[in-house]
Amino acid sequence: QKEVEQNSGPLSVPEGAIASLNCTYSDRGSQSFFWYRQYSGKSPELIMSIYSNGDKEDGRFTAQLNKASQYVSLLIRDSQPSDSATYLCAVWYSSASKIIFGSGTRLSIRP
Amino acid sequence: ETGVTQSPTHLIKTRGQQVTLRCSSQSGHNTVSWYQQALGQGPQFIFQYYREEENGRGNFPPRFSGLQFPNYSSELNVNALELDDSALYLCASSRGQGTNTGELFFGEGSRLTVL
Repeated sequence: QKEVEQNSGPLSVPEGAIASLNCTYSDRGSQSFFWYRQYSGKSPELIMSIYSNGDKEDGRFTAQLNKASQYVSLLIRDSQPSDSATYLCAVWYSSASKIIFGSGTRLSIRP
Repeated sequence: ETGVTQSPTHLIKTRGQQVTLRCSSQSGHNTVSWYQQALGQGPQFIFQYYREEENGRGNFPPRFSGLQFPNYSSELNVNALELDDSALYLCASSRGQGTNTGELFFGEGSRLTVL
């Protein structure tokens, strides 16, 4: 099992709809979870962090965490063409004192 | 507030050569970490420095080494370059003691091509 798993996509969503991105992780002891956005040819940019079970909202973005299921998700409401990018899930692995990134999900918002 | 800057942005080396990549951390950040990102993959953790000491390392061989300076800037050195070292090398800075933070601020990266 990979340490952090994401569906590589591409995930195609119509403009204005909700985009749902998912991530699973293997370390039950992990406490910190992050979503990064990476545009083609650019470096990753932090968009959300979540540390407790439940939902965390920031504008059009909602991060959801379920530690029992070892599952993190990112919802993007009212999707815009500018949301088209690769979304990277990252998990702090306390057992190894390092951050592990998933391979990313490529999201495409179609007008 | 000055962001993370990296140099050079692009470079080409031949197999067996050595390379040094440089990074200036964001103002107020005392932790620097380095990542390797191959095409279509997520960033792979190389190592992290806090207050000039390495305090975390990924699954990279010893020919990958680094330094952090008193002003928190950092270098990544790679010896005996191999073709598989061709990738985007990302530097990221963060606040705190560097042991439990994933809130990273990335530079634009150095793209290394090994021929």
